[in-house]
Amino acid sequence: GAGVSQTPSNKVTEKGKYVELRCDPISGHTALYWYRQSLGQGPEFLIYFQGTGAADDSGLPNDRFFAVRPEGSVSTLKIQRTERGDSAVYLCASSLAGLATDNEQFFGPGTRLTVL
Amino acid sequence: AQKVTQAQTEISVVEKEDVTLDCVYETRDTTYYLFWYKQPPSGELVFLIRRNSFDEQNEISGRYSWNFQKSTSSFNFTITASQVVDSAVYFCALSEGNTGGFKTIFGAGTRLFVKA
Repeated sequence: GAGVSQTPSNKVTEKGKYVELRCDPISGHTALYWYRQSLGQGPEFLIYFQGTGAADDSGLPNDRFFAVRPEGSVSTLKIQRTERGDSAVYLCASSLAGLATDNEQFFGPGTRLTVL
Repeated sequence: AQKVTQAQTEISVVEKEDVTLDCVYETRDTTYYLFWYKQPPSGELVFLIRRNSFDEQNEISGRYSWNFQKSTSSFNFTITASQVVDSAVYFCALSEGNTGGFKTIFGAGTRLFVKA
């Protein structure tokens, strides 16, 4: 079956612009996660969805970052007024269930965002 | 607060050597989950193992083995008879199970080079 997919694979934008990054989780997975990975670092948690709702958004760095999952499947990470420091690989993961289970997260290939 | 420390930034071994990757974690929860992921040069994170805090039994899977010790808050990963294909960055991760979500904290990773 298909894994987690992310589009675009690469995104180059200019400082101050708005970007949207898309994640298609594995069909049937109710939990969806966004992470950011800077060069030489481990993935940094941003937000976790259980169904349509954001169960934990404590990792979003500031109010320029926002994510939605309106139908409980595809999710979009939105970044307003991009800054050069936002440049990183944005990873999405999904898992079959979330709360109170020891779930395995399946990761997508990531979107490499470069802010010039 | 959650924290995962992977003190080894890079390890270089010769093929067929055994190698152990260290992971030390911090958490205040009694229920938590520990993970190891592999990130090959292609970039996509691959799940290797999950352990919950109530199961300290060590696990072996082929050439891979894991040693979980709650007394020292460690979850070390050993590759026996390493191969060139094991070259990758390995991440240890922790998620706390009672917080209403699955915020997962990753260590900074250990880059393993296996030379032929």
